[in-house]
Amino acid sequence: AQSVTQPDIHITVSEGASLELRCNYSYGATPYLFWYVQSPGQGLQLLLKYFSGDTLVQGIKGFEAEFKRSQSSFNLRKPSVHWSDAAEYFCAVGAPLEVSGTYKYIFGTGTRLKVLA
Amino acid sequence: DTEVTQTPKHLVMGMTNKKSLKCEQHMGHRAMYWYKQKAKKPPELMFVYSYEKLSINESVPSRFSPECPNSSLLNLHLHALQPEDSALYLCASSQKPGSPGNQPQHFGDGTRLSIL
Repeated sequence: AQSVTQPDIHITVSEGASLELRCNYSYGATPYLFWYVQSPGQGLQLLLKYFSGDTLVQGIKGFEAEFKRSQSSFNLRKPSVHWSDAAEYFCAVGAPLEVSGTYKYIFGTGTRLKVLA
Repeated sequence: DTEVTQTPKHLVMGMTNKKSLKCEQHMGHRAMYWYKQKAKKPPELMFVYSYEKLSINESVPSRFSPECPNSSLLNLHLHALQPEDSALYLCASSQKPGSPGNQPQHFGDGTRLSIL
């Protein structure tokens, strides 16, 4: 069965420190992988995506993620965290539905990031 | 700034009321989605519209009735909701149905729905 696991429910880092959020997936075919961020009271904003090519993907706001097929992982990183990065982060895999040509996201349970001043 | 606009931002309604949520996008996207998100949980897919036709209903109760009157607009009609339906309702769109590799979903900011 397809699934996405985000092992860390909460993470707290100091402003300026580096960050790594973990994401593991279970998917039979080549995965389409995404990281989204959700600030309180807002919708989800796409940070970056991976579907082929270079396994190190650059995104917005200084984020990057590395796809490691051997570890079934797609971890999100940022070298220096800013206070405004405090939010909920969701990893997702795009999976085809039974209806041809339609797909859905399978989301992880999310990681809540707290940033200390 | 979001390119998917949802109205209203907040809605409080009684269990006997009828109301509608609206979602609009002008990016030319031909796939649109409704999600329900409870607090501290990931979004749950409710409906998928593909070229203005309902293609997926994730076993959603009939008190939720989606409608896609044109390629830019998606509605969610609500009737006789229950307190457990209180949640954030998110709309999303993608360029067209199919491989998500180049066509990620774009989300609106949601409607916060409270059922009294």
